[in-house]
Amino acid sequence: GQNIDQPTEMTATEGAIVQINCTYQTSGFNGLFWYQQHAGEAPTFLSYNVLDGLEEKGRFSSFLSRSKGYSYLLLKELQMKDSASYLCAHMDSNYQLIWGAGTKLIIKP
Amino acid sequence: ETGVTQTPRHLVMGMTNKKSLKCEQHLGHNAMYWYKQSAKKPLELMFVYNFKEQTENNSVPSRFSPECPNSSHLFLHLHTLQPEDSALYLCASSQVSDTTPGANVLTFGAGSRLTVL
Repeated sequence: GQNIDQPTEMTATEGAIVQINCTYQTSGFNGLFWYQQHAGEAPTFLSYNVLDGLEEKGRFSSFLSRSKGYSYLLLKELQMKDSASYLCAHMDSNYQLIWGAGTKLIIKP
Repeated sequence: ETGVTQTPRHLVMGMTNKKSLKCEQHLGHNAMYWYKQSAKKPLELMFVYNFKEQTENNSVPSRFSPECPNSSHLFLHLHTLQPEDSALYLCASSQVSDTTPGANVLTFGAGSRLTVL
């Protein structure tokens, strides 16, 4: 079957670094997505990885290891506005998105 | 208007009511989606329209009825819902490519928060 796991909630301090992990099991793979969703707002696209390695976009980076079924989202120099839920999703062999339940990230001053 | 807009943002309805959710995308995308988002649960794909044709219906109860009159508009008609249908209903659109189907980035609306009494 297909499954995707990520922590339910994480807490970090303003200015610090946090890593949000995501693991998945799938019979086929066509990419791994991360979305950010602030409370009461639309999810917004952050990153897409289809090859192994690290993709960096400013303060946010996303890593993928296809052999391990593992990805992480790395947030540096945390700001209060980074408090949000972070959704991990992988695209299976039928190009369907399989979503995790999201990680709620709480940033403290 | 830009992006994906959904109306109403909040809706309270009784189990015998009939209501509709509306979604409009201003991005020129060729695919539109309805998702259900419940607290602490993964997003559930309900319906997909690709080039105005419904391509997915993930075992959604018939009390939910989608309508896609054109590639920019999507409706979700609601009839005799149950309290467990209370959730955030998200509309999304994307540009599906034949050459890079995996790079299917969704643009979401802010959602319609539905409460069924």
